[in-house]
Amino acid sequence: EAGVTQFPSHSVIEKGQTVTLRCDPISGHDNLYWYRRVMGKEIKFLLHFVKESKQDESGMPNNRFLAERTGGTYSTLKVQPAELEDSGVYFCASSREGINSPLHFGNGTRLTVT
Amino acid sequence: GDSVTQMEGPVTLSEEAFLTINCTYTATGYPSLFWYVQYPGEGLQLLLKATKADDKGSNKGFEATYRKETTSFHLEKGSVQVSDSAVYFCALSAGGSYIPTFGRGTSLIVHP
Repeated sequence: EAGVTQFPSHSVIEKGQTVTLRCDPISGHDNLYWYRRVMGKEIKFLLHFVKESKQDESGMPNNRFLAERTGGTYSTLKVQPAELEDSGVYFCASSREGINSPLHFGNGTRLTVT
Repeated sequence: GDSVTQMEGPVTLSEEAFLTINCTYTATGYPSLFWYVQYPGEGLQLLLKATKADDKGSNKGFEATYRKETTSFHLEKGSVQVSDSAVYFCALSAGGSYIPTFGRGTSLIVHP
């Protein structure tokens, strides 16, 4: 099966600009997660979709971040306007149903805000 | 809230050395515990898991035992290879949502 794909792999933008990250989960995986890792720190949870519904968005840092999941398939994460502290690696992961289902991660998008 | 604490890296070893990466956790209830590995240029992938106390997860020569009494899940391998060089993340899932919580990762560098 095809894995989780993320686009772009790298993005360099200036403070105040807008960036949209995309994630295509594994087909059939209802659960989709966004995480972020800032340099050398823990991978922090941002939000969780079940199909097209936001199940938990408690990790979203502020209202500059907007996530959507169209029709329960791919997801986008938009940052508008970007700030310097938004720099990091954004990971998307998907999983099947079940509390012990492992997460399948994409390769991540490295975002640099200058 | 739930949290995972990993030893600081990088861990630098020679090939065939014994590896231990420490992981301790704080969680409500009875979490499931995981080790994920991220090879250079790739996404994280599940290495092993344990879902209840005293379970031992194992894969690719790596092992970790779920120790409830010490709230630990240390990763071990008897003889590391250069190809094991990667970042290792300890994680848990617990509570009503079971959304995995990750540690900060430990970089392992293995020299020939």
